Amino acid sequence: AQSVTQLDSQVPVFEEAPVELRCNYSSSVSVYLFWYVQYPNQGLQLLLKYLSGSTLVKGINGFEAEFNKSQTSFHLRKPSVHISDTAEYFCAVSETFNTNAGKSTFGDGTTLTVKP
Amino acid sequence: ETGVTQSPTHLIKTRGQQVTLRCSSQSGHNTVSWYQQALGQGPQFIFQYYREEENGRGNFPPRFSGLQFPNYSSELNVNALELDDSALYLCASSLGTGGYEQYFGPGTRLTVT
Repeated sequence: AQSVTQLDSQVPVFEEAPVELRCNYSSSVSVYLFWYVQYPNQGLQLLLKYLSGSTLVKGINGFEAEFNKSQTSFHLRKPSVHISDTAEYFCAVSETFNTNAGKSTFGDGTTLTVKP
Repeated sequence: ETGVTQSPTHLIKTRGQQVTLRCSSQSGHNTVSWYQQALGQGPQFIFQYYREEENGRGNFPPRFSGLQFPNYSSELNVNALELDDSALYLCASSLGTGGYEQYFGPGTRLTVT
């Protein structure tokens, strides 16, 4: 079994400021890690994913995340946010074990609000 | 290349009724996963279909059932609807089951009254 905790339900930030959205996970097996963005009345769009290799992962729209195995974290960062980044962000994990791979467990989301 | 599509967009049903939601996967994708997203929560995994066979199920009762067709499109059926079934139902398709990127559709908003 696995779980995901997004530590902040809401993050307000001013435009052009940096932002970090925090995600911790729990799993007894190795996992793949994902961040998704959801705009109002839309489905989820993948921002980035960690499968293996370098622990620093770069994604779309200037976002990046760092996998920290010892701290079981996968925090999402952006050095300078735009108004258009206002959305709901979800962290997700799935087991690498073949029969369970692809079945993702999601956190409850973090609402990022970028203010002018 | 057509993305993942879902129908209908919105649906209102009465408690006790049955509903069928439909999903067309992205071209070439053989795996479809269904998720339920209640208001203010993250998506919860319902089940996954891989090459027309169920390939794993989340913690949902048997009244949630599904199908995948030879063209890899899929249906989610919910019987004996309950008020708590009101949610956004998301379909996601992928090339396979192992760490592949999932492409999500826009969802079907189901309201049970």
